[in-house]
Amino acid sequence: NAGVTQTPKFQVLKTGQSMTLQCAQDMNHNSMYWYRQDPGMGLRLIYYSASEGTTDKGEVPNGYNVSRLNKREFSLRLESAAPSQTSVYFCASSSGQGGLSEQFFGPGTRLTVL
Amino acid sequence: AQSVSQHNHHVILSEAASLELGCNYSYGGTVNLFWYVQYPGQHLQLLLKYFSGDPLVKGIKGFEAEFIKSKFSFNLRKPSVQWSDTAEYFCAVSLNTGGFKTIFGAGTRLFVKA
Repeated sequence: NAGVTQTPKFQVLKTGQSMTLQCAQDMNHNSMYWYRQDPGMGLRLIYYSASEGTTDKGEVPNGYNVSRLNKREFSLRLESAAPSQTSVYFCASSSGQGGLSEQFFGPGTRLTVL
Repeated sequence: AQSVSQHNHHVILSEAASLELGCNYSYGGTVNLFWYVQYPGQHLQLLLKYFSGDPLVKGIKGFEAEFIKSKFSFNLRKPSVQWSDTAEYFCAVSLNTGGFKTIFGAGTRLFVKA
């Protein structure tokens, strides 16, 4: 039982490049989330998916897109990376709607945009 | 706007000292409350949660937190810290605004000196 897995663990991009962060969970959870963590700002929600086939914007969605490929997988895409997107990205999942149950987090992806 | 404040960004304690980390939120409606911990190099994981009932909740590793509704606070405590408690601690509040949304505090980095 791996929990929540994320790939890659580290990535360096140049401004304007694109990339997709992958996330998968094996806990049969309905809800999945993408957060970014910046120093002094805690975790901020980028997008979430309450169930397979649905996605919704969070607090900071600009510059990102997501895909809930199936119940297990939830990917985050940066179409044209900017230095402001340098951050640590966490994927999480929960059995219920966010706030009704605890969230389980992946190990994070440290992204640097030059 | 709803927010979660953690009063201390950095705390340094000696082993066996008592710990109290403050968390306040600004929202007058129904809330669910969480403390998450991130040990160095590890995932965020749940320390404890409060949904309803006894406002004093106990979590893993000897941690406890008290919900004081009148003060909009959910402070984390531990009577005697250990070196292994060195970590970053995040308070999170889930608000019922039609659907639940979760807001994280900025985090408190705790360093325990052996």
